[in-house]
Amino acid sequence: SAVISQKPSRDICQRGTSLTIQCQVDSQVTMMFWYRQQPGQSLTLIATANQGSEATYESGFVIDKFPISRPNLTFSTLTVSNMSPEDSSIYLCSVEGAVTQETQYFGPGTRLLVL
Amino acid sequence: DQQVKQNSPSLSVQEGRISILNCDYTNSMFDYFLWYKKYPAEGPTFLISISSIKDKNEDGRFTVFLNKSAKHLSLHIVPSQPGDSAVYFCAATRDQGGKLIFGQGTELSVKP
Repeated sequence: SAVISQKPSRDICQRGTSLTIQCQVDSQVTMMFWYRQQPGQSLTLIATANQGSEATYESGFVIDKFPISRPNLTFSTLTVSNMSPEDSSIYLCSVEGAVTQETQYFGPGTRLLVL
Repeated sequence: DQQVKQNSPSLSVQEGRISILNCDYTNSMFDYFLWYKKYPAEGPTFLISISSIKDKNEDGRFTVFLNKSAKHLSLHIVPSQPGDSAVYFCAATRDQGGKLIFGQGTELSVKP
């Protein structure tokens, strides 16, 4: 499976500010995914990011709030914009498996606390 | 609408015994199912998966059973070990390379 790293691992931010989360993969992958896990909740897909095209957002998530970049096949960023305490979550990136596309492998996550 | 449900938020098992984690789904279009294990402060780790064309998949101590007619899958861990203590998520997908729909998770505690 791919080795995935995320930066930062955690952060505490003030409301109204923005934070950009980086996701780096050690191999080239076509599809990368961004998920959110709110406290006590399950993982929810925010968007799918393909290299060279606009990210595809799930219902309830919009580009203005969660802009995503995918400049190459090993890297992506997710920005959480104009943060409020409700954005306090764990944000995770994942990639599809090389052998089985249905299987996704996750990064360690970014823990965000918004005050 | 919760398409994937794990109705037991927690489970406690004695070391050496079997752990059975359950998952129900509502969407009959799901064709691939996965189990992930998550330790605190870490991302989910892929454990085992099963295609809808099968009813059982085994990998060492872990076996996943799929009952399509009941829209139910279960993960069996035998024998359970203290290191298995974690939150277990089941997930489902209907498209190759598509999004995963996760259950709420079951926290497993294996006591020595």
